[in-house]
Amino acid sequence: EDKVVQSPLSLVVHEGDTVTLNCSYEVTNFRSLLWYKQEKKAPTFLFMLTSSGIEKKSGRLSSILDKKELFSILNITATQTGDSAVYLCAVVEGAQKLVFGQGTRLTINP
Amino acid sequence: NAGVTQTPKFRVLKTGQSMTLLCAQDMNHEYMYWYRQDPGMGLRLIHYSVGEGTTAKGEVPDGYNVSRLKKQNFLLGLESAAPSQTSVYFCASSLVQGDTQYFGPGTRLTVL
Repeated sequence: EDKVVQSPLSLVVHEGDTVTLNCSYEVTNFRSLLWYKQEKKAPTFLFMLTSSGIEKKSGRLSSILDKKELFSILNITATQTGDSAVYLCAVVEGAQKLVFGQGTRLTINP
Repeated sequence: NAGVTQTPKFRVLKTGQSMTLLCAQDMNHEYMYWYRQDPGMGLRLIHYSVGEGTTAKGEVPDGYNVSRLKKQNFLLGLESAAPSQTSVYFCASSLVQGDTQYFGPGTRLTVL
């Protein structure tokens, strides 16, 4: 059975801290891995990763994929209160399906 | 560009009632998806469509039906609602296989 597991499930840090969110997966036919940020409503796209070892970066956020060890990390440096959200990891498997992890709820305290 | 839109935004049903959720996208995407999101469960795929006139089952299809008569619309139907179907429903679309999925704002459904 395809599975995506995120850790931690919940994280509370102070503004300015750096956080690392983890996503491990077991899927039959891996195509790509996506990270989403979900605040109050719909998830919004952050990154799509298809190749191992190539870091994707957007401002203070970065992500990398390890296809050998079957995991990805999402880093956020110099966190701000606006980074508070649920971060979702999803893996696209061969049949055009997204398999989502449970999400990591990140809270940034001022 | 409206992107992906969903109607209605909220709905309360009684057990046994039926309803249809509408998803529309104006990005000419081939692929469309219906998910439900429950606390602690992440997003789970109900049904999806790889093109007009085609549909396929996802992870949790029971109790739901879908139709994709037009490329831009993907309908999710509940024939006989049950309290276990209380959830937030998200529609998404993508241009090609494995591409980023763009989500609608969600529909919060409560079944009493």
